[in-house]
Amino acid sequence: GAGVSQSPSNKVTEKGKDVELRCDPISGHTALYWYRQSLGQGLEFLIYFQGNSAPDKSGLPSDRFSAERTGGSVSTLTIQRTQQEDSAVYLCASSTQGANQETQYFGPGTRLLVL
Amino acid sequence: EDQVTQSPEALRLQEGESSSLNCSYTVSGLRGLFWYRQDPGKGPEFLFTLYSAGEEKEKERLKATLTKKESFLHITAPKPEDSATYLCAVQGYSSASKIIFGSGTRLSIRP
Repeated sequence: GAGVSQSPSNKVTEKGKDVELRCDPISGHTALYWYRQSLGQGLEFLIYFQGNSAPDKSGLPSDRFSAERTGGSVSTLTIQRTQQEDSAVYLCASSTQGANQETQYFGPGTRLLVL
Repeated sequence: EDQVTQSPEALRLQEGESSSLNCSYTVSGLRGLFWYRQDPGKGPEFLFTLYSAGEEKEKERLKATLTKKESFLHITAPKPEDSATYLCAVQGYSSASKIIFGSGTRLSIRP
């Protein structure tokens, strides 16, 4: 079956511009996560969705970052007024929710470069 | 605060030379410890989930073990295709939605 997909795969933007990153989770997965991975670093948690609601937004680094999820499926991460320090790989993951079913399946990521 | 530390940062082995990667963690009530493999330019790929001390899981040349403070990923007779970054992550009961990742161990296997 289809895995998690993300688009675009690469994005180059100028400082101050807004960007939108998209994630299509595995069909039927109710949980969706966004992470950020800087070069040579581990994954930094950004936000978690259960269905369309986001019970945990604690990882969003500033109010320039926002995310939404519609129809319990596709999610969009928006970064406003991008800064150079926003350059990173943004990874999306999805999982089913149930006893001992916390395995997350990751997409290939969107590589964002802010010039 | 939940925390994960992986060591070494990088490891170079000869093909067939077995070794272990370490993941030390602190968490207020472990819900699960995860191992992932990440190839360059790709998202992490799930390997194992461990839930309680003493648990072990195996997959091909990899075996993951868990104690109350750390987890080991043992690699037996590795091959060049095992070269990747291996990530460890924990999920605690205090913040069940948040999974904390370590910075990974970059493993390189020379033929």
